Amino acid sequence: EADIYQTPRYLVIGTGKKITLECSQTMGHDKMYWYQQDPGMELHLIHYSYGVNSTEKGDLSSESTVSRIRTEHFPLTLESARPSHTSQYLCASSAQGQTSSYNEQFFGPGTRLTVL
Amino acid sequence: KNQVEQSPQSLIILEGKNCTLQCNYTVSPFSNLRWYKQDTGRGPVSLTIMTFSENTKSNGRYTATLDADTKQSSLHITASQLSDSASYICVVSDRGSTLGRLYFGRGTQLTVWP
Repeated sequence: EADIYQTPRYLVIGTGKKITLECSQTMGHDKMYWYQQDPGMELHLIHYSYGVNSTEKGDLSSESTVSRIRTEHFPLTLESARPSHTSQYLCASSAQGQTSSYNEQFFGPGTRLTVL
Repeated sequence: KNQVEQSPQSLIILEGKNCTLQCNYTVSPFSNLRWYKQDTGRGPVSLTIMTFSENTKSNGRYTATLDADTKQSSLHITASQLSDSASYICVVSDRGSTLGRLYFGRGTQLTVWP
């Protein structure tokens, strides 16, 4: 079982609210990722980080923002949630320095977000 | 375009039966291929990882195969159990970036009935 945690697990909020999804890992991994997943669809990378103070946008455009002030913590923020943001958000991490042939990512349990 | 296609989209089998899930990919340059199991409402958990030189790998009742020439992989589940009900996702990594970008299939939703 990977030591990567996400809170909350479920969140139902109204349109226009600001939310922060938390992700923490205790494995000392440098690389961290946020994915968005809709039912029956593939995971889409929305943000990633190589390490502290590093953040990059992923393949899927997202109105969310991320920060990486500490190695173990990679929160995702939505300033004004909308129904189109309803989805499952998965956080993952992997170790820096691994060869690209074994860049194993460990996933958290996910946050199911519903915006009404 | 780098893509990962899985079949079937869904599958229902009886407990104790075997099944095989398929994955075709076009990711290049290829680094490795992995199969993940994702229970409903949970994050994916890695089952197997195979590099270019490996053509089969087992993890208990799960056996994955890889044909790098035809860019195909399969996941065989033996003697299925109710707890095998989940989505099985094929993920291919390229070696063209330091990020080790992952390309995800949409998964095969497996349901095991008693």
